[in-house]
Amino acid sequence: ELKVEQNPLFLSMQEGKNYTIYCNYSTTSDRLYWYRQDPGKSLESLFVLLSNGAVKQEGRLMASLDTKARLSTLHITAAVHDLSATYFCAVDPTVPRGTSYGKLTFGQGTILTVHP
Amino acid sequence: ETGVTQSPTHLIKTRGQQVTLRCSSQSGHNTVSWYQQALGQGPQFIFQYYREEENGRGNFPPRFSGLQFPNYSSELNVNALELDDSALYLCASSFDIKQPQHFGDGTRLSIL
Repeated sequence: ELKVEQNPLFLSMQEGKNYTIYCNYSTTSDRLYWYRQDPGKSLESLFVLLSNGAVKQEGRLMASLDTKARLSTLHITAAVHDLSATYFCAVDPTVPRGTSYGKLTFGQGTILTVHP
Repeated sequence: ETGVTQSPTHLIKTRGQQVTLRCSSQSGHNTVSWYQQALGQGPQFIFQYYREEENGRGNFPPRFSGLQFPNYSSELNVNALELDDSALYLCASSFDIKQPQHFGDGTRLSIL
């Protein structure tokens, strides 16, 4: 059974500080997703990481993927209040040729609160 | 705007009842997956439909069933509702089984 673990589960940051959220998973995968969820809302796609060593950046967020270590990170630079939300990583396990992707296993989520 | 629309947005049912949740995807989205997100948890994969056939199922009992229609809409049906079925139900669709999914806004189901 695929397990996806995020840490920390709760993160309280001051504005302007940097921090990293970690996502470990237990099986081979060549695609990993990061999502943001605001309270009572659906999932907003942040990043899709499709290969070992992939790095993507959007604004103050940067995500990376190490498939050998089965680890992805979401790095927050100079946090601002608007980044307060719950962040999920989700893993799409490697499947045999001809079968489908899209059966995601999510981590528990990291609740990020950014304080002034 | 993801182009994936779910209805209704909120629903209240009682134990033992049956419910149908609907999802309308963009034209051409031939893959749809359904997820259940309980309060404070990550979404859990229920099942996936590809070209109107079930194409994988998570650890959910048979009282959770689905349909996908030629017009790119789909349904999630849940029979014999239990209190633990209270959750946000999300559908996600994509143009192809290898493409990233787009999530709808979800249906929040409450069981009394």
